[in-house]
Amino acid sequence: GAVVSQHPSRVICKSGTSVKIECRSLDFQATTMFWYRQFPKKSLMLMATSNEGSKATYEQGVEKDKFLINHASLTLSTLTVTSAHPEDSSFYICSAMGNNYEQYFGPGTRLTVT
Amino acid sequence: AQSVAQPEDQVNVAEGNPLTVKCTYSVSGNPYLFWYVQYPNRGLQFLLKYITGDNLVKGSYGFEAEFNKSQTSFHLKKPSALVSDSALYFCAVRDMEGSWGKLQFGAGTQVVVTP
Repeated sequence: GAVVSQHPSRVICKSGTSVKIECRSLDFQATTMFWYRQFPKKSLMLMATSNEGSKATYEQGVEKDKFLINHASLTLSTLTVTSAHPEDSSFYICSAMGNNYEQYFGPGTRLTVT
Repeated sequence: AQSVAQPEDQVNVAEGNPLTVKCTYSVSGNPYLFWYVQYPNRGLQFLLKYITGDNLVKGSYGFEAEFNKSQTSFHLKKPSALVSDSALYFCAVRDMEGSWGKLQFGAGTQVVVTP
């Protein structure tokens, strides 16, 4: 149980385009999901907390207009990187919080902006 | 505010030898501590957690961690390391002051197990 998926696992996009990443909790409902960004061999940086049915809460320094988060259902949150630039290239990881307040992590999405 | 520190960027150990990955914490109140492992280009896998109870916590893949309140440490250990244990290890503490149970991660420790 407690499986979280992400789609796509890898994406390459051109500079200036937008890309959407999906995070799904497959066998449980998650009112809260988290989005992280990770640089090579570095720790996870929390970008935002996503709550079903309400606006996401962004961490300091994260541009909410650039990283759009939508948590439309109890099993799906999406992160859209708008007008992507090469510096947005990174590994993006989501997690979903279960009823026991445990976080279950997705496998990550590798974004490359050319 | 809660925080964890992992003082070692990398730990090298020969296969079959004991493995220790260090973590110290700073919290106000009772700590909720976690260890995760990450393989290349993968998400995080949960290893173990300490909430309350026995100071020695046993987790997945033969790992264990000892909670030491006086030293504010939560070191991860494995008696006999395997080459397949080579990965990036993260210590984390749950932020109980804020809402939604956010996790604060350490910087990570790369474990390299040589045959």
